[in-house]
Amino acid sequence: NAGVMQNPRHLVRRRGQEARLRCSPMKGHSHVYWYRQLPEEGLKFMVYLQKENIIDESGMPKERFSAEFPKEGPSILRIQQVVRGDSAAYFCASSPTPQVNTEAFFGQGTRLTVV
Amino acid sequence: GNSVTQMEGPVTLSEEAFLTINCTYTATGYPSLFWYVQYPGEGLQLLLKATKADDKGSNKGFEATYRKETTSFHLEKGSVQVSDSAVYFCALRSQAGTALIFGKGTTLSVSS
Repeated sequence: NAGVMQNPRHLVRRRGQEARLRCSPMKGHSHVYWYRQLPEEGLKFMVYLQKENIIDESGMPKERFSAEFPKEGPSILRIQQVVRGDSAAYFCASSPTPQVNTEAFFGQGTRLTVV
Repeated sequence: GNSVTQMEGPVTLSEEAFLTINCTYTATGYPSLFWYVQYPGEGLQLLLKATKADDKGSNKGFEATYRKETTSFHLEKGSVQVSDSAVYFCALRSQAGTALIFGKGTTLSVSS
């Protein structure tokens, strides 16, 4: 059973471009979470999605960021008009159920660099 | 709101030393508690978990006990190895249908 797959592993964008980060959850997992990791700041929750639904987007910046998890295909985190401050590692995680005792399984992350 | 507080790092130890990384939490209800480990350039891997008060999670020589009275979930290992060098994250899930909330992470460096 393949783990959570994220691509690309590394992404370089110029200021003002769009960044698209993809996440394929583990087989059988319908709950996806996106996190951002900045040095010295730990892992910050961004958004929680279930197939075709956004469950919690309380950690998403109000502008330029969006996420989707369509019925078919991977989850996408989209950042429009990137700025230098968007440079970070973005991690996706998935879980099979939303139960409180269920852990999340993480991908290896996408490291975004804005130049 | 829900939150996790971990001891500041880095923690620097010699091989075979005893390790404690403190973690305390604030949460409503009855959260589940987790420790994850992140090796350089990698994603997070679950190390252990505990889902109710007084539960002890253990894996690879690491242990943590869910203490509701002190709202703590401290990570311990009796004898660390160089290969344990990594960043350790304490996390909680406060209720069903919510995401895991993480502490800031504690960097452990073990030298031979």
